[in-house]
Amino acid sequence: NAGVTQTPKFQVLKTGQSMTLQCAQDMNHEYMSWYRQDPGMGLRLIHYSVGAGITDQGEVPNGYNVSRSTTEDFPLRLLSAAPSQTSVYFCASSYAGPGGGYTFGSGTRLTVV
Amino acid sequence: DAKTTQPNSMESNEEEPVHLPCNHSTISGTDYIHWYRQLPSQGPEYVIHGLTSNVNNRMASLAIAEDRKSSTLILHRATLRDAAVYYCILRYWSGGGADGLTFGKGTHLIIQP
Repeated sequence: NAGVTQTPKFQVLKTGQSMTLQCAQDMNHEYMSWYRQDPGMGLRLIHYSVGAGITDQGEVPNGYNVSRSTTEDFPLRLLSAAPSQTSVYFCASSYAGPGGGYTFGSGTRLTVV
Repeated sequence: DAKTTQPNSMESNEEEPVHLPCNHSTISGTDYIHWYRQLPSQGPEYVIHGLTSNVNNRMASLAIAEDRKSSTLILHRATLRDAAVYYCILRYWSGGGADGLTFGKGTHLIIQP
């Protein structure tokens, strides 16, 4: 199993550009979520999904959009990149229910200049 | 959301047991106690979780106080590879509701050779 795959691993954007961070999982997990981690900080939840067609906002959703058309994929879209969005982004997935742990991807390091 | 309190950092020697404490005095009956760790430059990794009873797996043990207001992650024999930030997280479960993880700053575990 590949687990949770994030692409790209690194990206540099200019202010105002848009882009999509890709996330795919092959474990048939219902739950998927996106987090950002700024230097020296814990992770903060951006958006999450409990299944195909269902998404909701987390703690820091402004400037980001998500959609969940399939169980496997959960892309994160930056609408108009800003320097404040410079961060490391992690995607995670989990089975429904509180018993299982989340599996995280290896992250995308994004720099907005 | 119920919050957790962890020491900012702890230091231990290689091949010795490590006890990482976590206080969660406002925990509710539907909160599961989860532990994750994050190695440098990697995504978080699920370690263990529990509800009321102590739990063991191949990575660690989780000791939960009888009143559930605190817990301790136990690494039985620390290695240099266990040096990481350890996060104690309460995962709310409403029997069908959505969830995401709320990360604090965690405990930075330093292992001395």
